Amino acid sequence: SAVISQKPSRDICQRGTSLTIQCQVDSQVTMMFWYRQQPGQSLTLIATANQGSEATYESGFVIDKFPISRPNLTFSTLTVSNMSPEDSSIYLCSVLSQGNQPQHFGDGTRLSIL
Amino acid sequence: TQLLEQSPQFLSIQEGENLTVYCNSSSVFSSLQWYRQEPGEGPVLLVTVVTGGEVKKLKRLTFQFGDARKDSSLHITAAQPGDTGLYLCAGEGTPLDSWGKLQFGAGTQVVVTP
Repeated sequence: SAVISQKPSRDICQRGTSLTIQCQVDSQVTMMFWYRQQPGQSLTLIATANQGSEATYESGFVIDKFPISRPNLTFSTLTVSNMSPEDSSIYLCSVLSQGNQPQHFGDGTRLSIL
Repeated sequence: TQLLEQSPQFLSIQEGENLTVYCNSSSVFSSLQWYRQEPGEGPVLLVTVVTGGEVKKLKRLTFQFGDARKDSSLHITAAQPGDTGLYLCAGEGTPLDSWGKLQFGAGTQVVVTP
């Protein structure tokens, strides 16, 4: 299965600032996704990162707050903008290599906003 | 939105006991996946079930997919402390509208004590 590296693994940020999270895969993948896992809760899909075009966002998530880039088939970034304490979560990227293949997750970025 | 209800939320058992986790929905899924997540890590895929009525075994773990592809269960026989973790079920929608997008249940925290 693909090896997924997320950076940073954790960060503590000030209110009002922005942070960009990187997701690097060791092989080309068809699809990349970004999820959020709030404290003590399950995973919620934020958006699908589309290569060469704008990401597709799920209900409740908008591009201004969570801009996403995917310049090629192995890399994506998620930015959490104008952070507030409510954004304190684990942010995870996942990848899908091709049809009928399982989805694999990175270890996540643990974000705390003061 | 295809809602997945997972039960129980928390399960604490002694080593050697058996346990079952349930995942139910009113919607049909093209596939259903079970993950285990440990603190500080991303979810790790255990199994994917695709066919209604399917049963898969992974050592002491048995996974079932309901005939109508709306529900699933995970049964662990003779649980060991290494089975401790957060178990998550995730359903994938029909390919045309949500291929690759996973809808997660709330998770079941399993604690196995020696």
